[in-house]
Amino acid sequence: QQPVQSPQAVILREGEDAVINCSSSKALYSVHWYRQKHGEAPVFLMILLKGGEQKGHEKISASFNEKKQQSSLYLTASQLSYSGTYFCGTGMGDDKIIFGKGTRLHILP
Amino acid sequence: KAGVTQTPRYLIKTRGQQVTLSCSPISGHRSVSWYQQTPGQGLQFLFEYFSETQRNKGNFPGRFSGRQFSNSRSEMNVSTLELGDSALYLCASRGRGGRETQYFGPGTRLLVL
Repeated sequence: QQPVQSPQAVILREGEDAVINCSSSKALYSVHWYRQKHGEAPVFLMILLKGGEQKGHEKISASFNEKKQQSSLYLTASQLSYSGTYFCGTGMGDDKIIFGKGTRLHILP
Repeated sequence: KAGVTQTPRYLIKTRGQQVTLSCSPISGHRSVSWYQQTPGQGLQFLFEYFSETQRNKGNFPGRFSGRQFSNSRSEMNVSTLELGDSALYLCASRGRGGRETQYFGPGTRLLVL
């Protein structure tokens, strides 16, 4: 089951904050966040695991609500380099990661 | 450590032909997953291999197949190509799966004419 991401797209001015949400209809074991710039491969941002463990970049924060089967990615004081498409991937313990359709983020100077 | 590599980077084929794409995972990684990326559809899961066995499969027709070798390198094959198969094909590797981070290769862009 493909997770649902919201919003589909967002435009911000440099320095503003953004929240990207990811929800699943099934119980989650892990949530994986990636950013992809045009013409490039997705780059790992953060992994959140059932039980509370998190691993990722220091400047990125995210939450994982296991009961609600939801995760949110928080981008604070956005920079021009944050522009791109953000994907959340969900794992249900069977070793495959299913990705949502992505959230396009555009940062204006 | 070298990252995930994919060859070729670009391919142009015609309908009805078949194509084989290759992926070399990060050294020590035994899990390799393949994804198809098309505009508006995000990353569609094709299949995942671990220790030469297909461990998971997505909802793609049987024309899409794959395999993994003993050195963890993986190939995917698409037979009888259709125009709709035009896409970026990404492979990703991680150690064993589960609680580990997955790293993507640069992808192979396939154009079917």
